[in-house]
Amino acid sequence: IVLTQSPGTLSLSPGERVTLTCKVSQRISTTYLAWFQQRPGRAPILLIYGASKRATGIPDRFSGSGSGTDFTLTINGLEPEDSAVYLCHQYWSSPWTFGQGTKVEIK
Amino acid sequence: EVQLVQSGAEVKKPGESLTISCAATGYIFDKNWIGWWRQMPGKGLEWMGMTYPDDHDSRYNPSFAGQIVLTVDKSIATAHLQFYSLKASDTAVYYCARHKGAGYCSSANCWGFDVSDAWGQGTLVTVSS
Repeated sequence: IVLTQSPGTLSLSPGERVTLTCKVSQRISTTYLAWFQQRPGRAPILLIYGASKRATGIPDRFSGSGSGTDFTLTINGLEPEDSAVYLCHQYWSSPWTFGQGTKVEIK
Repeated sequence: EVQLVQSGAEVKKPGESLTISCAATGYIFDKNWIGWWRQMPGKGLEWMGMTYPDDHDSRYNPSFAGQIVLTVDKSIATAHLQFYSLKASDTAVYYCARHKGAGYCSSANCWGFDVSDAWGQGTLVTVSS
């Protein structure tokens, strides 16, 4: 299963809202789509699982939605620490796969 | 708190073998699959395989089968990723990650697993002559 993310890179100001897109090559249940944040040199951090459920400790400015083959991650009120690569991930069918990522830069 | 702590960075020569480890705390180690991921410099995450500590069942991405072996030591709640013969192209950061819950596996593949909710900090492996 191939995940294609867009856009590749975004440069935004603090306080802005951003929506990132993940297109999946075949329909999957919302249960099996997650979003991760990865900062340079660090391990991925789970933000959203089941397409829309926030992981423990994740601020409510992060939200996920979507179904079928199209999923989105929205960050409301960007903060400087949100500068990172955001990755969508499917865990429906092995081999589990990630998208190539969207890099979010905070000006 | 669930934690996975990986062994430190390694520098190896081509042809050498290597085992890196992932020590788990904060949950019942035997009952959750542990997966391994590769991230080559500047690239995305690739799933290598996973292992179930309770019965040592291991599943491999065909892209990595024959090049690695996944093992566990239940007595110390630690998973291992072993490379038979390293190549320069094995230079990467390797992560272990715990599946929150299990799904189903046939002989060919697996499906319906729960998300990988806890990740190790990563182990940098550099292979150079």
